[in-house]
Amino acid sequence: EAGVAQSPRYKIIEKRQSVAFWCNPISGHATLYWYQQILGQGPKLLIQFQNNGVVDDSQLPKDRFSAERLKGVDSTLKIQPAKLEDSAVYLCASSLGTGTSYTFGSGTRLTVV
Amino acid sequence: DAKTTQPPSMDCAEGRAANLPCNHSTISGNEYVYWYRQIHSQGPQYIIHGLKNNETNEMASLIITEDRKSSTLILPHATLRDTAVYYCIVRVHSGVTGNQFYFGTGTSLTVIP
Repeated sequence: EAGVAQSPRYKIIEKRQSVAFWCNPISGHATLYWYQQILGQGPKLLIQFQNNGVVDDSQLPKDRFSAERLKGVDSTLKIQPAKLEDSAVYLCASSLGTGTSYTFGSGTRLTVV
Repeated sequence: DAKTTQPPSMDCAEGRAANLPCNHSTISGNEYVYWYRQIHSQGPQYIIHGLKNNETNEMASLIITEDRKSSTLILPHATLRDTAVYYCIVRVHSGVTGNQFYFGTGTSLTVIP
């Protein structure tokens, strides 16, 4: 089966600019997650979707981060405006349900200068 | 927050067994232990999971102590391609969000020729 697709692979922006990341999960996977991984740390959960609804966004910095999954398939994560500390790899993962293992994409590496 | 502690780094000779320990002393009775690994510039990859009994698959074996407060991931014949960061994760269950994975900082395993 095809894996979790993410784009772009790399992105460099200046601080205060906006950026968006795209994720296409494995077909049929109802649950989708966005994680942020800062260099040298483990991934940190930002937001969890079940179909097109948000299940948990308690760790999402909502003053600058937003995410949507309008049709319950693809998802976008946006940062506006970006700060230097947002430099990280943004990982998307999906699963059939919340009780099964996740499949991760390769991530988008964001550098804010 | 992560409910696990792991050594930050380990070395293993190629062809030998790699034994990666993990402490999860506050694990609850219905929480599973999962292992993922992350090779440089890739997303985390599922390895194995278990609840109480020891588990084995084509990649690894998972040994969980009887009191479930610790576990060991065993790669029986380590190869250079097994060099990665290995994450031990306790899958946390919530009635609202379902199951979620909280990553710690993992163990960086280096397989030496």
